[in-house]
Amino acid sequence: EAGVAQSPRYKIIEKRQSVAFWCNPISGHATLYWYQQILGQGPKLLIQFQNNGVVDDSQLPKDRFSAERLKGVDSTLKIQPAKLEDSAVYLCASSRYRISSYNEQFFGPGTRLTVL
Amino acid sequence: KQEVTQIPAALSVPEGENLVLNCSFTDSAIYNLQWFRQDPGKGLTSLLLIQSSQREQTSGRLNASLDKSSGRSTLYIAASQPGDSATYLCAVGGEGGAQKLVFGQGTRLTINP
Repeated sequence: EAGVAQSPRYKIIEKRQSVAFWCNPISGHATLYWYQQILGQGPKLLIQFQNNGVVDDSQLPKDRFSAERLKGVDSTLKIQPAKLEDSAVYLCASSRYRISSYNEQFFGPGTRLTVL
Repeated sequence: KQEVTQIPAALSVPEGENLVLNCSFTDSAIYNLQWFRQDPGKGLTSLLLIQSSQREQTSGRLNASLDKSSGRSTLYIAASQPGDSATYLCAVGGEGGAQKLVFGQGTRLTINP
């Protein structure tokens, strides 16, 4: 089966510009996650969707970051306006959803964002 | 709040050596612990998953152990090869349907031929 797809793979922007990332999860996966990985650190969960509803967005900087998952499939993550500290790799992951069971997350290749 | 720490941050060893990577976590109420591998420019690949009721898991040359009471896990790599060079991340999964993963900062491993 095809894996998690992300685009673009790389993006360079000036600070205060806006940028959007796209994620297509594995077919049939109800749960979608966006992580931010700053250089030298582990991934940090930004937002988790269950179908097209938000389960957890407690670490999403809502003043500048937004995300949506229309129709419970593809998702976009937007930053507006970008700051220098937003330079990171943005990882998308997806998993099935089965109650009382571990739902393994599968990760995409990520989008590397550089803010100048 | 769960915090995950990995030591060392970087490790360089000659080919053929056995090695151990360490992971510690602050809250022992975990659902599972997972070890991932990350290659440059690529996403995360799951290596081993240990459920909270288990003590260890093995896959080929890899063995992961879990001691919930002390908040520790180790990843043992036997007979290291240059292809094992990558960043290794451990992640702790919490209970509940959300199963949020909290990651350590990773150990960057280099195996020298």
